[in-house]
Amino acid sequence: EDQVTQSPEALRLQEGESSSLNCSYTVSGLRGLFWYRQDPGKGPEFLFTLYSAGEEKEKERLKATLTKKESFLHITAPKPEDSATYLCAVPQGGSEKLVFGKGTKLTVNP
Amino acid sequence: NAGVMQNPRHLVRRRGQEARLRCSPMKGHSHVYWYRQLPEEGLKFMVYLQKENIIDESGMPKERFSAEFPKEGPSILRIQQVVRGDSAAYFCASSDGGDYGYTFGSGTRLTVV
Repeated sequence: EDQVTQSPEALRLQEGESSSLNCSYTVSGLRGLFWYRQDPGKGPEFLFTLYSAGEEKEKERLKATLTKKESFLHITAPKPEDSATYLCAVPQGGSEKLVFGKGTKLTVNP
Repeated sequence: NAGVMQNPRHLVRRRGQEARLRCSPMKGHSHVYWYRQLPEEGLKFMVYLQKENIIDESGMPKERFSAEFPKEGPSILRIQQVVRGDSAAYFCASSDGGDYGYTFGSGTRLTVV
C-alpha cells in the first residue's frame, strides 16, 4: 500500500533559523510528489510538484528536493508568516487520487 | 478568478439529518475531487468526478455517502443520516486534468451534534 510519512510532526523555529522538513514515501512508479501549505481554517495551497530524483524547485524561502525515497522542504531564514502546516502527497498507483501525509506543523517565532 | 468555491463554510446537523456540501470548481476546470480531513488525520481521498460522471469513488463509504457533478451547477457531496463520526472538514479540489497541482477550496466544516 502506498504510504507517505512526514517528520517531524511539529517544528518550532526562531525567525531566521533555517531547517528542513522530511517526506518519505513508498509508492510503485512515482508519478510526482506534491507539496502543499495549509493555514488554519483554510484549504491546502499548492506549492511544488517534483517529478524525478534530483529535481529541485524554489519559491521565496522554500526549496523542495526529491530523491528516490524521500523529499525535503528546506526553509531558509523563515519568517513568522511561514507558520503553517506543510503537507506532501503522491498519486496512488495509476489513479488520480493523492495520498497525503499527516503534515508538519511549523511555527516560526519572532 | 474566484478559485474553488465551497459552501457552506460551516454546517451543523443533528444525528440522522442530511448534509449537502456544494463545490464550484475554478473556471475552466472540469475535474473535481472531494477529500475529508478528520481531526489529527491527514487528508483522505473520497471521490473523483468529471461532468456527469463518477470516475473513482473508491474512497467513499459504501453507505450514506453520494456525490454528483451535474452538467450545470456545482458538485454536490451528500451525506444521509449523519452520525457523529462524520464530523470533519470536507475539501473540494479542481483541476484541468493536466497535472496534480489541484486547487483546493476552503472547505466545509461539518459538525454533527
